Amino acid sequence: SQTIHQWPATLVQPVGSPLSLECTVEGTSNPNLYWYRQAAGRGLQLLFYSVGIGQISSEVPQNLSASRPQDRQFILSSKKLLLSDSGFYLCAWRAFGVTYEQYFGPGTRLTVT
Amino acid sequence: GIQVEQSPPDLILQEGANSTLRCNFSDSVNNLQWFHQNPWGQLINLFYIPSGTKQNGRLSATTVATERYSLLYISSSQTTDSGVYFCAVGATSASKIIFGSGTRLSIRP
Repeated sequence: SQTIHQWPATLVQPVGSPLSLECTVEGTSNPNLYWYRQAAGRGLQLLFYSVGIGQISSEVPQNLSASRPQDRQFILSSKKLLLSDSGFYLCAWRAFGVTYEQYFGPGTRLTVT
Repeated sequence: GIQVEQSPPDLILQEGANSTLRCNFSDSVNNLQWFHQNPWGQLINLFYIPSGTKQNGRLSATTVATERYSLLYISSSQTTDSGVYFCAVGATSASKIIFGSGTRLSIRP
């Protein structure tokens, strides 16, 4: 069966520090991968998605970036965090060519101080 | 792009009550999912239902694609049903899905 991992689970970082969040998927090949952000009490905002290695689509201009160095690995990064980057970051995957159903990881709760 | 509206935004019920959550969307879709976000933030897949009716225990969902809406029914509510329910839709060729703003459900014991 498929499993999605995210780490770390929680993170407290000062303003101006770098960020690296990692997401990996097991049990499937060539998945679509997604990064979402959820502000407290709000809905989900799609940040990036990838349909293959090295292929990244950005949905929202910001100081975040994403990379997909391997088929089942998706990384969210920032060179300098802002207070507004605080939130709950969720990674999701969808099997390529099957149904369009997405599955979510457990999330990373980021607090920028 | 596709617009997704969920109603009501908030719902407070006593344990044992039934509820109906609605999701309206503005264009043709062939992907519709219902999720439950629990108090710890985990998004749990409830239904993948681009059309028709499905049931899973006390939960059921119906999507009428031609009229562009979906309904999620929760019967005999329990406190563990509390959380936020999201509807998300996608078009045939799209690689992404669009989320509604959610319905926050609170079940009182």
